[in-house]
Amino acid sequence: QKEVEQDPGPLSVPEGAIVSLNCTYSNSAFQYFMWYRQYSRKGPELLMYTYSSGNKEDGRFTAQVDKSSKYISLFIRDSQPSDSATYLCAMSYGKTSYDKVIFGPGTSLSVIP
Amino acid sequence: GAVVSQHPSRVICKSGTSVKIECRSLDFQATTMFWYRQFPKQSLMLMATSNEGSKATYEQGVEKDKFLINHASLTLSTLTVTSAHPEDSSFYICSAGLPSPGSENTIYFGEGSWLTVV
Repeated sequence: QKEVEQDPGPLSVPEGAIVSLNCTYSNSAFQYFMWYRQYSRKGPELLMYTYSSGNKEDGRFTAQVDKSSKYISLFIRDSQPSDSATYLCAMSYGKTSYDKVIFGPGTSLSVIP
Repeated sequence: GAVVSQHPSRVICKSGTSVKIECRSLDFQATTMFWYRQFPKQSLMLMATSNEGSKATYEQGVEKDKFLINHASLTLSTLTVTSAHPEDSSFYICSAGLPSPGSENTIYFGEGSWLTVV
């Protein structure tokens, strides 16, 4: 079993839809949870960062962490064509959030105008 | 967010030659930098962790003599692909960690470098 599982998609939604992206994990030691957005042929861009459980909202993006279920989610409201990208979840159990980071394989999202 | 610059963005080299890729943290000092490799439609594969002033820590299966990493200052790490072969063609990405445990910190990525070995 991989440490971090993520449905690779592709996921295709109409513009304005609510998008739900998810990851599951097996290592209960993970404490830091991140979501990155990666456009084609570019480096990943940090979207959301969460420490331990709970929700965090930033504009159209909401990140949720459920440590009891070992499940994290990223919701995108009012999705736009510019949101079309690959979304990578990442998590860490090191002393800092950038120590021992494990990435999911990424979900490819297309938002259709 | 923090800015990490990577150069060159694209490079083509002949088989057997060496190529150097630079990774710079532009607005912060990074004691730790990371080098990743990414194949098409796959996730990031950590190659090595680079700590300023010390030898890099390589992941299992990564040849340290082939992928030379130098982290000479708090803002610069370099990856040199030595004696490159076509199978080394890939997207190489660096990232840098903000050295402030306890605050909201994480790793920030460079734009990546496409290496094509012909």
